Amino acid sequence: DGGITQSPKYLFRKEGQNVTLSCEQNLNHDAMYWYRQDPGQGLRLIYYSQIVNDFQKGDIAEGYSVSREKKESFPLTVTSAQKNPTAFYLCASRGLRLGDTQYFGPGTRLTVL
Amino acid sequence: DAKTTQPPSMDCAEGRAANLPCNHSTISGNEYVYWYRQIHSQGPQYIIHGLKNNETNEMASLIITEDRKSSTLILPHATLRDTAVYYCIVNNRDNTDKLIFGTGTRLQVFP
Repeated sequence: DGGITQSPKYLFRKEGQNVTLSCEQNLNHDAMYWYRQDPGQGLRLIYYSQIVNDFQKGDIAEGYSVSREKKESFPLTVTSAQKNPTAFYLCASRGLRLGDTQYFGPGTRLTVL
Repeated sequence: DAKTTQPPSMDCAEGRAANLPCNHSTISGNEYVYWYRQIHSQGPQYIIHGLKNNETNEMASLIITEDRKSSTLILPHATLRDTAVYYCIVNNRDNTDKLIFGTGTRLQVFP
C-alpha cells in the first residue's frame, strides 16, 4: 500500500518528558510537513522539509524539533519546552512537481498527563 | 490568517446534492482554490482544486465564479460517509508549502 503512516495513533506521556512522533511515507515525495490541530480549530504548520537534511520552521515551531535523515521519514519531537503539547498531530507529504498538493497521514493524538 | 470565509455548519439529506460555498474575495491571479475534508479524528483528505474553470473528479465538482471571488464545492449525491469538516483554501500553486486551514464548514448528512 502506498501512503503515509503515523504511529502510534494514540500516545500518552507525562509532563516534562520529550516524545517523538513517527511519520513515514512510501510515495517518493520530496517534501514533508508537520501540523498541529487543537479541538475545533484548523491546522497550524509546525515544521516542513523540502529535501533531506534540510527543514524550515512553520508558524508554531517553538518547543518542537525535527530531523530529515531519510527521504521517507520525518520524525517530530515534542520537547518539554512545549507549553501545551496535548493535541492532534498530522504529518503530510507532497511531490515537487508544479501543482502537487499535500497528502495527509492518519494523525497521532498526543495526551500529556 | 485564512483568506477564505465559509459557513460554520450545513446540513444535507442523504442522496441530495451538498453545495458548500466559499468566499475568497482577495484571491490573486496566480492563486488556486483547494478543497480538503476531514472526517472526525482522521487526517484531511484532498478533494479537488481549480484556478478559474469548473473542475470535476470522481469525488466532487468545483464551480468557481467568473470573477473568482467565490466558489462552490458540490457533492452530487451526499452519503452519510460525507459527514465531515470541509476546508476551502486559497494558495499559490507554485508554493503549496503554506496551506492555511481555517475552521471550515461542518457538513452533517442525515438519513
